[in-house]
Amino acid sequence: DIVMTQSPDSLAVSLGERATINCKSSQSVLYRSNNKNYLAWYQQKPGQPPKLLIYWASTRESGVPDRFTGSGSGTDFTLTISSLQGEDVAVYYCQQYLTTPLTFGGGTKVEIK
Amino acid sequence: QLQLQESGPGLVKPSETLSLTCTVSGGSISSSGYYWGWIRQSPGKGLEWIGHIYYDGGADYIPSLKSRVTISLDASKNQFSLILRSVTAADTAIYYCGRILSYYFDHWGQGTLVTVSS
Repeated sequence: DIVMTQSPDSLAVSLGERATINCKSSQSVLYRSNNKNYLAWYQQKPGQPPKLLIYWASTRESGVPDRFTGSGSGTDFTLTISSLQGEDVAVYYCQQYLTTPLTFGGGTKVEIK
Repeated sequence: QLQLQESGPGLVKPSETLSLTCTVSGGSISSSGYYWGWIRQSPGKGLEWIGHIYYDGGADYIPSLKSRVTISLDASKNQFSLILRSVTAADTAIYYCGRILSYYFDHWGQGTLVTVSS
């Protein structure tokens, strides 16, 4: 199984400041035949299901604000919120989908400082 | 607009069978290119993929649950279902159904809490 490790577990950021969340996979999720990273990011607000933000490591889902950016390749990935807004308070998860079992990181809780 | 809705008992006794259904509206589960899956989230914990099924009936499951789980689909009702046998307290969780594109979840149901308790 591919193990996904996120850091930090939580972070507090001032409104308008940058938030950076890291995700590391135990093996590469880059599929060389199509040069795509099989990595997605989700946002989960309290009492709600997760919402897809990013797929293929850096492709923003339709309707997701451009302050959310995914980057990285191979085993190391980052989700950046460029200017934190109040509605961004949530837990963020990464997920690899290169192989089954599909696996998720443990989550990073983002709060307002 | 695609919508998914889970339904089923909120309380199941230990050793019995958990049975949930996901009703899909705004799209057909018979469409090629999509899988239909289940994920669970234990209280205060992270996300665990349980398994998924393709429109042709082919399914894949997490190995740790494979002996106890079955996912099936009913195209006539535009529904797919989860059966988990011999449940224990460790199976208490919020269960989400979702649509899967290229193995990431692009649409989710609201989730349903299932508690295993006598």
